[in-house]
Amino acid sequence: QVQLQESGPGLVKPSETLSLTCAVSGYSISSGYYWGWIRQPPGKGLEWIGSIYHSGSTYYNPSLKSRVTISVDTSKNQFSLKLSSVTAADTAVYYCARHLQWAFDYWGQGTLVTVSS
Amino acid sequence: QSALTQPASVSGSPGQSITISCTGTSSDVGSYNLVSWYQQHPGKAPKLMISEVSKRPSGVSNRFSGSKSGNTASLTISGLQSEDEADYYCCSYAGSSTFGVFGGGTKLTVL
Repeated sequence: QVQLQESGPGLVKPSETLSLTCAVSGYSISSGYYWGWIRQPPGKGLEWIGSIYHSGSTYYNPSLKSRVTISVDTSKNQFSLKLSSVTAADTAVYYCARHLQWAFDYWGQGTLVTVSS
Repeated sequence: QSALTQPASVSGSPGQSITISCTGTSSDVGSYNLVSWYQQHPGKAPKLMISEVSKRPSGVSNRFSGSKSGNTASLTISGLQSEDEADYYCCSYAGSSTFGVFGGGTKLTVL
């Protein structure tokens, strides 16, 4: 069974960098698929942040591209998200998920990240 | 403002059928058969219900079906049950510059 688990600080100060990691079990990232990050502000809808292919190719939401970096560590079977210069508008539940053909079939449970001083 | 437009809410009685629309443009929904639908219960992660417009993943009830006409995709739920009450989101590929876009979500209430 494929499982994904997000981890990282739950509180980030404004202007700093948000860093999250998604650990994958039950499937080797190197075997294929795309691996993505999606966020959901409290009480609002879903927003795709970006994705990485197992080869390392990255794809970012144009509205966030200047602040986002997604990387993969196949040796640890995990991938990571960095979002720089955060503001209160970046407060959200952040999900990691596996996808192919733009269908996200396995999701992590999500982690709430609050941006506040 | 979301790239894909969904009604904010829909409702139906147990046993009835409802349809949720997802309207995009010729740059996303209209150009690619890469529309997916997700069900999200409060406090839970989204669950894939439909992929590639109309494909139902293993384990998803056949009461859920998807379709597309022009720039609008639709999710139909037949034989409504209380456990179907949730938020539903559509997602579409939008080309090699924008990539993926979600709808704003629809809250389904089972009366």
